[in-house]
Amino acid sequence: EAGVAQSPRYKIIEKRQSVAFWCNPISGHATLYWYQQILGQGPKLLIQFQNNGVVDDSQLPKDRFSAERLKGVDSTLKIQPAKLEDSAVYLCASRGQGTPTNEKLFFGSGTQLSVL
Amino acid sequence: QKEVEQNSGPLSVPEGAIASLNCTYSDRGSQSFFWYRQYSGKSPELIMFIYSNGDKEDGRFTAQLNKASQYVSLLIRDSQPSDSATYLCAVGPGGYNKLIFGAGTRLAVHP
Repeated sequence: EAGVAQSPRYKIIEKRQSVAFWCNPISGHATLYWYQQILGQGPKLLIQFQNNGVVDDSQLPKDRFSAERLKGVDSTLKIQPAKLEDSAVYLCASRGQGTPTNEKLFFGSGTQLSVL
Repeated sequence: QKEVEQNSGPLSVPEGAIASLNCTYSDRGSQSFFWYRQYSGKSPELIMFIYSNGDKEDGRFTAQLNKASQYVSLLIRDSQPSDSATYLCAVGPGGYNKLIFGAGTRLAVHP
């Protein structure tokens, strides 16, 4: 079974530039999450999708961050304009449906963003 | 502000010993509790989840939950150098919705 795919793996940009990250979840997983993990901290949820609808985006800085999940499959997260404090690893995760025992959150390998 | 607190460590234990990792949370309404392992430069992977008070064992891992004390712990028996990683505690209202992660505890198992 293929895992959660993310690209790019690394990105270096200057402040005020824009950047986009891509995620392809595990096939059939309806729920998709974007997390931000700043060095030395735990992941923080930015946005949660159920199919192509937004379930929770309460912690997404909407003045600069946007995300979409067209057709309920892959997703993009965009930052425009970037700030220094956006330097972090951006993790995408997906989850299947079923009993709590087999409901696991699968993370992609992440995109490490450095804003200079 | 709902919080999940963990000692950042590092927690250093000798190979073969029991490693005890602790986590406290502020939201009394929390219903689901997870432990993730994160190797340096890698993404988190789920190792245990627990929903009810008491102990839950899976191989060398035991998760313990005490909702009255708002405390969850992870015990790793017979610790191995390959267990050296950061362990993240995550807490949620139910299922995987709105999981709040702690900052993690770094565990170092030395031969």
